[in-house]
Amino acid sequence: GENVEQHPSTLSVQEGDSAVIKCTYSDSASNYFPWYKQELGKGPQLIIDIRSNVGEKKDQRIAVTLNKTAKHFSLHITETQPEDSAVYFCAASKLTGGYNKLIFGAGTRLAVHP
Amino acid sequence: KAGVTQTPRYLIKTRGQQVTLSCSPISGHRSVSWYQQTPGQGLQFLFEYFSETQRNKGNFPGRFSGRQFSNSRSEMNVSTLELGDSALYLCASKGSDSTFEQFFGPGTRLTVL
Repeated sequence: GENVEQHPSTLSVQEGDSAVIKCTYSDSASNYFPWYKQELGKGPQLIIDIRSNVGEKKDQRIAVTLNKTAKHFSLHITETQPEDSAVYFCAASKLTGGYNKLIFGAGTRLAVHP
Repeated sequence: KAGVTQTPRYLIKTRGQQVTLSCSPISGHRSVSWYQQTPGQGLQFLFEYFSETQRNKGNFPGRFSGRQFSNSRSEMNVSTLELGDSALYLCASKGSDSTFEQFFGPGTRLTVL
């Protein structure tokens, strides 16, 4: 069935270090991979996404890479700041026509220490 | 542009009662999806509505239902509440079938006592 595994479940880094979160998906038909950041008391916020026809995408300090063969995708945050502290979720979907279901990983709690 | 709004933000109910939650998508968006978030099960898909029609449904019992109105606003209903229904209920708004991004609201925190 559809499944997304996410590692690590918790990640603690010093301010300025890099953080990497990894996800593996099971459905080879998945073609869209968003990442969400959820702060306490808020809904998930879309921070970056990648489609299956692209191997890497970057937006300022965050980047996402996709390896379709291995069915892996990763989030990279460079020069981390305390405001990056939050729970991060990866997700996968096969967006075809009217199918909009996102399958989420279990989340990674990132703590950035000053 | 205003984001996704959900009402109420917090709700306390007792077992056996029913509850209705509301979601207003981003203006112009036609797709609304609902998700349940719990510490144990994470984020799980409930159902999706597009142009007043339910298109996809997750693996939840029939006590969970929803609908969408002509202005794209959506409601979800949970009948005969159980303790395990305590969760954060999130709705996500998507523009059309030709776009990919889904944007979430702040959620409704439901507590069942």
